[in-house]
Amino acid sequence: QVQLQESGPGLVKPSQTLSLTCTVSGGSISSGSYYWSWIRQPAGKGLEWIGRIYTSGSTNYNPSLKSRVTISVDTSKNQFSLKLSSVTAADTAVYYCARMFIVVGRGNWFDPWGQGTLVTVSS
Amino acid sequence: QSALTQPASVSGSPGQSITISCTGTSSDVGSYNLVSWYQQHPGKAPKLMIYEGSKRPSGVSNRFSGSKSGNTASLTISGLQAEDEADYYCCSYAGSSTFDVVFGGGTKLTVL
Repeated sequence: QVQLQESGPGLVKPSQTLSLTCTVSGGSISSGSYYWSWIRQPAGKGLEWIGRIYTSGSTNYNPSLKSRVTISVDTSKNQFSLKLSSVTAADTAVYYCARMFIVVGRGNWFDPWGQGTLVTVSS
Repeated sequence: QSALTQPASVSGSPGQSITISCTGTSSDVGSYNLVSWYQQHPGKAPKLMIYEGSKRPSGVSNRFSGSKSGNTASLTISGLQAEDEADYYCCSYAGSSTFDVVFGGGTKLTVL
C-alpha cells in the first residue's frame, strides 16, 4: 500500500526557509485523483493544515500561511515538497505529509499519513 | 477560517460508550460536506478512523461510528477499550470553492 516519508533538516534558523520533502512509495504520485498535503502540529497542540497540491501542479494554501508557503511536486521522483519562508519560533512543529481525498459534496480526508518530522526553529 | 470546536477531554470506563462532538458552522460542518475523524496516540501520526461522516476505512473497528446533526458532527466509540485512549480530531473543508481545510482543536479521551 501507499506509504509516505518526510525528510529534511530538523533545525532551521529564524528568518530562513524551512524545506521538507515527502517521498511516496508503493504507488505513483500521479495515479488516481488524489491531492497531496502538508499538515503540522506544534508540541502539545492541535493539527493545522498547511496546503495541498494536485499532480497537475495546482495548489491551495491555508490563508494564514499563504504568503510564506510554496508546495511543489516532482512526479519523476514521486515526491512533493514544502517550503516555508521567514520562519520564527512559532513554526516549530512536527510536520506531516499525507495523501488527501476530496469528494465534492461528500467531504475530504487524509490517508495515509507520514510518520512526521520535527522541525525546530532556533538560532 | 476558525477551528472546529471539540471538547478538550472526555472519559469513560472500559465497556462504556462515549461521544465526541465537533461543532462548526453552516459553511463547514453544516454544509453538505461530511467530516472525517482521526485518532492520534502519543508520538504517533494521526490515523483515519471515519470519512464521509460515517464510513470506516478497512481495518477500523465497527465500535467507531460517526454521525451529524445540523452544524455538529459526532464520533461515538462503543465498548471502550484501553487502546482507545488517544487524542481525536475532526476535520472538514470550509468553503465549496477553495476547499480549505479546518481541523477541530482535538479531544483527549481517557479510559478510566
